[in-house]
Amino acid sequence: AQSVTQPDIHITVSEGASLELRCNYSYGATPYLFWYVQSPGQGLQLLLKYFSGDTLVQGIKGFEAEFKRSQSSFNLRKPSVHWSDAAEYFCAVGRGNNDMRFGAGTRLTVKP
Amino acid sequence: DTAVSQTPKYLVTQMGNDKSIKCEQNLGHDTMYWYKQDSKKFLKIMFSYNNKELIINETVPNRFSPKSPDKAHLNLHINSLELGDSAVYFCASSPQWGQGAYEQYFGPGTRLTVT
Repeated sequence: AQSVTQPDIHITVSEGASLELRCNYSYGATPYLFWYVQSPGQGLQLLLKYFSGDTLVQGIKGFEAEFKRSQSSFNLRKPSVHWSDAAEYFCAVGRGNNDMRFGAGTRLTVKP
Repeated sequence: DTAVSQTPKYLVTQMGNDKSIKCEQNLGHDTMYWYKQDSKKFLKIMFSYNNKELIINETVPNRFSPKSPDKAHLNLHINSLELGDSAVYFCASSPQWGQGAYEQYFGPGTRLTVT
């Protein structure tokens, strides 16, 4: 069965500190991987995606993610977090039949 | 110039009622979706339409009926509302079926509360 696991339900970091959000997937074929961000009361916004090629992908708002096939991971990183980054972050995997499966989300709190 | 819009943003209704949520996208996309997000933020796909045809129909009670009058619209009608239907419902769209389809654009959500 295909699945997406985000091990951390809630993470708190200080403003200016680095951030890494973990995502592991279980999928039989080459996955299409995504990170979305959901600000309070808002819809989901795509941060970045991986389809193929370079395993380090750059996204919007200074985020990047690295695909590691050997670890079945697609972790999201940012070198310096801003207070406006506080939100819910969702990792997702695209399946061959065109539907997308989301992880349970990681809530990010940013301390001043 | 909202890309994916939903109405209403909030919907409060009583058990047993019938309600509809509307979704429109002005991106020229072929594929549209409905998702349900529960109180724990878990996001689950309900339906997917491609060019007005139903493609994905997850295990959803048949009280939920999507309708796509044209490629730009995908409405969700819910009959005989139950307490467990309370959630945030998101509409989304993507450019086409296939690899390009995976990049989905989400609407702002409709918070449904059933009392």
